[in-house]
Amino acid sequence: GAVVSQHPSRVICKSGTSVKIECRSLDFQATTMFWYRQFPKQSLMLMATSNEGSKATYEQGVEKDKFLINHASLTLSTLTVTSAHPEDSSFYICSATLGAETQYFGPGTRLLVL
Amino acid sequence: QKEVEQDPGPLSVPEGAIVSLNCTYSNSAFQYFMWYRQYSRKGPELLMYTYSSGNKEDGRFTAQVDKSSKYISLFIRDSQPSDSATYLCAMRFTGGGNKLTFGTGTQLKVEL
Repeated sequence: GAVVSQHPSRVICKSGTSVKIECRSLDFQATTMFWYRQFPKQSLMLMATSNEGSKATYEQGVEKDKFLINHASLTLSTLTVTSAHPEDSSFYICSATLGAETQYFGPGTRLLVL
Repeated sequence: QKEVEQDPGPLSVPEGAIVSLNCTYSNSAFQYFMWYRQYSRKGPELLMYTYSSGNKEDGRFTAQVDKSSKYISLFIRDSQPSDSATYLCAMRFTGGGNKLTFGTGTQLKVEL
């Protein structure tokens, strides 16, 4: 149980384009989903917290207009990186929580912006 | 000072060794403690989840929490090459929207 999927697993795009990443909880309804980014050999950096049907809460320093989060249902959250630039290249990971339990992570999406 | 301190390693041990991984933290309000394993280019996988002080065992893994010392440990017995990964400690408050505070991760390599 507690399986979280992400799609795509890897994406390469041109600078200036937008990229959408999906996060799904496959076998449970997630009360909250989180989005992280991770640079090589570093820990996870929380970008935003998202609850179904409400606006995401962004961490300090994260541009909400650049990283659009939509949480349309209890099993799906999307992160759209708008007008992506090479410095946005990173490993993006989502997680989901079931009630008051801990976070279950997706497999991650590797974004490369050329 | 970071809220959660974790030695980044790398830590290299021979197969079969007992591995000890540790984190210290500064905020006594943390109540829930987790250990995640992350293989290269993959998402973190939950290994152990404990509440407050005490020990918890699951197969070859034992998690210990000492709240009086603000210190948590993960022990891996009979380590295997497949245990080679980065191990992240994480913790959270009661409530707080399930938000986690992570250590930087310890890179472990178990050699044949």
